Amino acid sequence: DTAVSQTPKYLVTQMGNDKSIKCEQNLGHDTMYWYKQDSKKFLKIMFSYNNKELIINETVPNRFSPKSPDKAHLNLHINSLELGDSAVYFCASSQDWGGTETQYFGPGTRLLVL
Amino acid sequence: DAKTTQPPSMDCAEGRAANLPCNHSTISGNEYVYWYRQIHSQGPQYIIHGLKNNETNEMASLIITEDRKSSTLILPHATLRDTAVYYCIALSSGSEKLVFGKGMKLTVNP
Repeated sequence: DTAVSQTPKYLVTQMGNDKSIKCEQNLGHDTMYWYKQDSKKFLKIMFSYNNKELIINETVPNRFSPKSPDKAHLNLHINSLELGDSAVYFCASSQDWGGTETQYFGPGTRLLVL
Repeated sequence: DAKTTQPPSMDCAEGRAANLPCNHSTISGNEYVYWYRQIHSQGPQYIIHGLKNNETNEMASLIITEDRKSSTLILPHATLRDTAVYYCIALSSGSEKLVFGKGMKLTVNP
């Protein structure tokens, strides 16, 4: 059984479009995250939600809007896509909030903006 | 959180032990040493963590020096599937988030 799943795995789209990436975890965790890994392979946290509440927002453009309908889901909606948004986006979850909580990552969504 | 330093890359022969070093000379008493790895095109994977005692699990062993200024992750019998970027991260219990550095690329050769 997949612990943290993301859809789609690949996403190719034109500049200016709006797209969403979905994430689901079946681990019963309270905290979920979105990370971005750019072309230089740096992995950076974007958002963190704990019990559906936003607790970390790392200076991400407001074109990015996370939504957590319930504890098991954290979706990422991106408006007006730009070339620089091309990256791999990873979702993760942990039992509770905090850096020392072991995080379980999804397989990633590879976004290419043309 | 304390800064960690890792060599950029390392090679290891398949079947041999891989010893991955990490320096964290400014680590404070309440900071843990965490190891994650990222196999190509996959999400990062937790490996192990420790505070001051050596730790072992089914994946690896973590040896932390007595002064806690450095540590070594040991993969006892490296396989080709262990080829990955390995991240050593120092975290206190109050850390808000996991911060990944550049990591170290381990290549296991046949």
